[in-house]
Amino acid sequence: QKEVEQDPGPLSVPEGAIVSLNCTYSNSAFQYFMWYRQYSRKGPELLMYTYSSGNKEDGRFTAQVDKSSKYISLFIRDSQPSDSATYLCAMSANGNKLVFGAGTILRVKS
Amino acid sequence: ETGVTQSPTHLIKTRGQQVTLRCSSQSGHNTVSWYQQALGQGPQFIFQYYREEENGRGNFPPRFSGLQFPNYSSELNVNALELDDSALYLCASSFEAGYSPLHFGNGTRLTVT
Repeated sequence: QKEVEQDPGPLSVPEGAIVSLNCTYSNSAFQYFMWYRQYSRKGPELLMYTYSSGNKEDGRFTAQVDKSSKYISLFIRDSQPSDSATYLCAMSANGNKLVFGAGTILRVKS
Repeated sequence: ETGVTQSPTHLIKTRGQQVTLRCSSQSGHNTVSWYQQALGQGPQFIFQYYREEENGRGNFPPRFSGLQFPNYSSELNVNALELDDSALYLCASSFEAGYSPLHFGNGTRLTVT
């Protein structure tokens, strides 16, 4: 069993839809949680960074962490074609070594 | 503010050869981490350097080695290349080891034939 599980998709939605991306994990020591966006032929770009449980909002993006369920989510409101990319969840126990999910491919159709 | 830069962008090597990849960290960052991303997979942690010392290593063999220089730039060296080493190699820098988010470069695409 992988430490971090992420549905690879692809997830295809119409422009303007609300997108929900999710990851589950098995290591209860994880306390730092991140979401990265990766466009084709580019490096991962940090979207959201949260510590411990709770919600964090930044513009159209909301990150949720539920440590009791070992489940994290990223919501994208009013999705745009420019949001089409691979979304990677990542987590860490000590802030150093990140453990990534395999990534979810998102396609937003105009 | 200059982001993380990596060179070269692409590289083709033959099995058994050696390769050196380079990374310049973001301004003000003293910690550099290296990750390997196979096609269709998430990045996997290779190792981290903090103030020129190795500060953690993932499940990679000793033929993967690294250096960090006084200006916090870094090198990743891979000896005795294998076909499975073909991947995108990502460098990331952070303000301090631990507790600060990683910022990635665009990577070096290595193909081993």
